[in-house]
Amino acid sequence: TQLLEQSPQFLSIQEGENLTVYCNSSSVFSSLQWYRQEPGEGPVLLVTVVTGGEVKKLKRLTFQFGDARKDSSLHITAAQPGDTGLYLCAGVQAASKLTFGTGTRLQVTL
Amino acid sequence: NAGVMQNPRHLVRRRGQEARLRCSPMKGHSHVYWYRQLPEEGLKFMVYLQKENIIDESGMPKERFSAEFPKEGPSILRIQQVVRGDSAAYFCASSPPSVFTEAFFGQGTRLTVV
Repeated sequence: TQLLEQSPQFLSIQEGENLTVYCNSSSVFSSLQWYRQEPGEGPVLLVTVVTGGEVKKLKRLTFQFGDARKDSSLHITAAQPGDTGLYLCAGVQAASKLTFGTGTRLQVTL
Repeated sequence: NAGVMQNPRHLVRRRGQEARLRCSPMKGHSHVYWYRQLPEEGLKFMVYLQKENIIDESGMPKERFSAEFPKEGPSILRIQQVVRGDSAAYFCASSPPSVFTEAFFGQGTRLTVV
């Protein structure tokens, strides 16, 4: 069974702070996705990274895929209350099955 | 273009009853996936279906759980003789019939077994 461990599990920060969430696995994935999930809703895709070492930016969010395609990070600059939510990484392997990480719950307060 | 539709949003069942969860994929999508999420946890893959075919059911419990995606109508996840441990949020996702790029998720069905 492939496992994706995310750290930290919980993160509570103040508006304006920076943070990094990590997603680690012993397995290699063809690509890796990051989702955000809000209470009572399904996950929504933020980004897909495909190439080892790839870096993608989405406004204040920076995503990096490890060189060996086993790990990834999400960095948020100047966090805002609207960033609050559950962040999930998901590895994609054969047959389109997503293996989700354990999740990082982020709370950003004023 | 409507998104993935799941119903009901909330379902309460007594132990021993059957639960039926329905999922209508996005228009043009022929691949459907079911995931289960326990409180404060990530999503766990259950089953991957295409029209009239189960492609991968490696995440489905061996007993009481079944899934189908008929030629016409929504995909159905059926749980027979529910137990308290089945209480969870069940999410359906769909993707188009091509190289996988993104799964679009529904809002989920929250099953509570009392």
